[in-house]
Amino acid sequence: SQTIHQWPATLVQPVGSPLSLECTVEGTSNPNLYWYRQAAGRGLQLLFYSVGIGQISSEVPQNLSASRPQDRQFILSSKKLLLSDSGFYLCAWSGGRNTIYFGEGSWLTVV
Amino acid sequence: EDQVTQSPEALRLQEGESSSLNCSYTVSGLRGLFWYRQDPGKGPEFLFTLYSAGEEKEKERLKATLTKKESFLHITAPKPEDSATYLCAVQGGRGDSWGKLQFGAGTQVVVTP
Repeated sequence: SQTIHQWPATLVQPVGSPLSLECTVEGTSNPNLYWYRQAAGRGLQLLFYSVGIGQISSEVPQNLSASRPQDRQFILSSKKLLLSDSGFYLCAWSGGRNTIYFGEGSWLTVV
Repeated sequence: EDQVTQSPEALRLQEGESSSLNCSYTVSGLRGLFWYRQDPGKGPEFLFTLYSAGEEKEKERLKATLTKKESFLHITAPKPEDSATYLCAVQGGRGDSWGKLQFGAGTQVVVTP
């Protein structure tokens, strides 16, 4: 069966510091991969999606970036965090069928 | 632009008191409508996908239905463990909407014993 792992689960980072959130999927090949952000009281917002290695589409202009160095690895990064980057970040994947499955999420607090 | 509106924002039920959640949507060429359950501090858990008007799916005490403009999630005789936020999302099939999920803000359900 397919599983998705995302880490770290929580982190507190100062303004201006870098960020790296990692996500891996097991049990499938060539998945579509996604990064979402969920703000309190709001729906999930798609940040990035990838249909293959090195192929990244950005949905929202911001100081975040994403990379896909391997087929089942997706990384969300920032060079300098802003207070507004605080939130709940979710990695997700989809396969041949169009259902999207989510990881457990990462809580980011920028202080 | 695809839009999803969920109502009510919050719902408090007594154990055994059945109710329905609403998801109204506009989308360019619906590929699928999805329901997820989300517990506090966790990622959304997939419940159902509906593809065309008239389709229904069931899982335990949950039943999802779909029309051309909205979907309902019926909770029959809920138990406290059904307490969660229920998210609705649509996936478009045309133009810029293709393949992307547009989420509603969710309905927070609390079931008391």
